[in-house]
Amino acid sequence: QVQLQESGPGLVKPSETLSLTCTVSGGSINNYLWNWIRQPPGEGLEWLGHVSSTGSTSYNPSLKSRVTISADTSKNQLSLKLSSVTAEDTAVYYCARCGSAWPYYMDVWGKGTTVTVSS
Amino acid sequence: DIQMTQSPSSLSASVGDRVTITCRASQSISTYLNWYQQKTGKAPKLLIYAASRLPSGVPSRFSGSGSGTDFTLTISSLQPEDFATYYCQQTYSSRAFGQGTKVEIK
Repeated sequence: QVQLQESGPGLVKPSETLSLTCTVSGGSINNYLWNWIRQPPGEGLEWLGHVSSTGSTSYNPSLKSRVTISADTSKNQLSLKLSSVTAEDTAVYYCARCGSAWPYYMDVWGKGTTVTVSS
Repeated sequence: DIQMTQSPSSLSASVGDRVTITCRASQSISTYLNWYQQKTGKAPKLLIYAASRLPSGVPSRFSGSGSGTDFTLTISSLQPEDFATYYCQQTYSSRAFGQGTKVEIK
């Protein structure tokens, strides 16, 4: 059974870069799209972007200039980098698996990791 | 960008009620539409994919319908464990979510 685990600093200073890792266990990252989604406190879900195992990416247009998502097949890990963070980037960050062909749906999710942006 | 609008934003219902949540896309998305259920403090869970298909393990009281721009999630008989927030998501272009519908106990 595939499981996802997000990890990274829980506190990031304003203007710095947020860096998170998602470790995939129980299966390979090949042949899937791997997504990052976030949820600010008390708010809805926001898709940040995804990466394939070959490194192909797609990003939310509203965040595209600040987001970088990558995959490391040797470690079965995905990573998220979000630059120039502000308090508005405070959120729970989730990684999720999605099929690489229609119908695209996110069937496996990590438990999420909370990131607070504060000095 | 395709915008997804859910209605209502919240609703109160009783156990046994039939509940309907709607999701409208700003342009046609065929059946590239998923529904997720999220309980407080938990990750979202896939409920419906491709507008009307149920993943294995999802109770049959959940159903989805629609195509193009208008979609519906129906819970035929609300159970205590169904009180949660529900999100639609389009996968036609990018992966935008609706703003969510919170189902509360009446």
